[in-house]
Amino acid sequence: AQSVTQLGSHVSVSEGALVLLRCNYSSSVPPYLFWYVQYPNQGLQLLLKYTSAATLVKGINGFEAEFKKSETSFHLTKPSAHMSDAAEYFCAVSGGTSYGKLTFGQGTILTVHP
Amino acid sequence: SQTIHQWPATLVQPVGSPLSLECTVEGTSNPNLYWYRQAAGRGLQLLFYSVGIGQISSEVPQNLSASRPQDRQFILSSKKLLLSDSGFYLCAWNNGGNTGELFFGEGSRLTVL
Repeated sequence: AQSVTQLGSHVSVSEGALVLLRCNYSSSVPPYLFWYVQYPNQGLQLLLKYTSAATLVKGINGFEAEFKKSETSFHLTKPSAHMSDAAEYFCAVSGGTSYGKLTFGQGTILTVHP
Repeated sequence: SQTIHQWPATLVQPVGSPLSLECTVEGTSNPNLYWYRQAAGRGLQLLFYSVGIGQISSEVPQNLSASRPQDRQFILSSKKLLLSDSGFYLCAWNNGGNTGELFFGEGSRLTVL
């Protein structure tokens, strides 16, 4: 069984500040890990993914995440927040099955203040 | 390139009325198809998935059903809506690659009154 825990349902930062969204996972097999972003009333868009290659993964819009097996974590970071980063972010885990049944975290709403 | 579309984008329905949400994928063949529901503060819940025409797996017992009449068409239905069916419904697809990466549609917001 797999699970994902996103620490903090709401995160607020100032424009230009560091963004850190936390994700911890549980998986009985080597995981594939994903971060998705969702803007209001839209579908989910893939930010980045870890698929057992480099542990530091770079994604779109300046985001990156680091896979840390010892900590079972996959935290999302961005050095400098922009107003357009305000959205809801979801971490997800897949156990490598062929049916793509991703298990999602509860989501973290990011607010960016001017 | 592959695209996925859902409709309608928004829907307001009375309790007890039927429901039909449709999803189509273009630019690929034999995709795996999924219906997720997103309720406020509850993340995403997988409702149904399909690996082929007529093949539907249900993840949770509920008032909804799904059908796949064509390779790239996935329909979510209900005969009688409940208040608890309100939410944001997302269709998604992948092509069976073992990373599990999903591609999502724009979503359909259902409000049951």
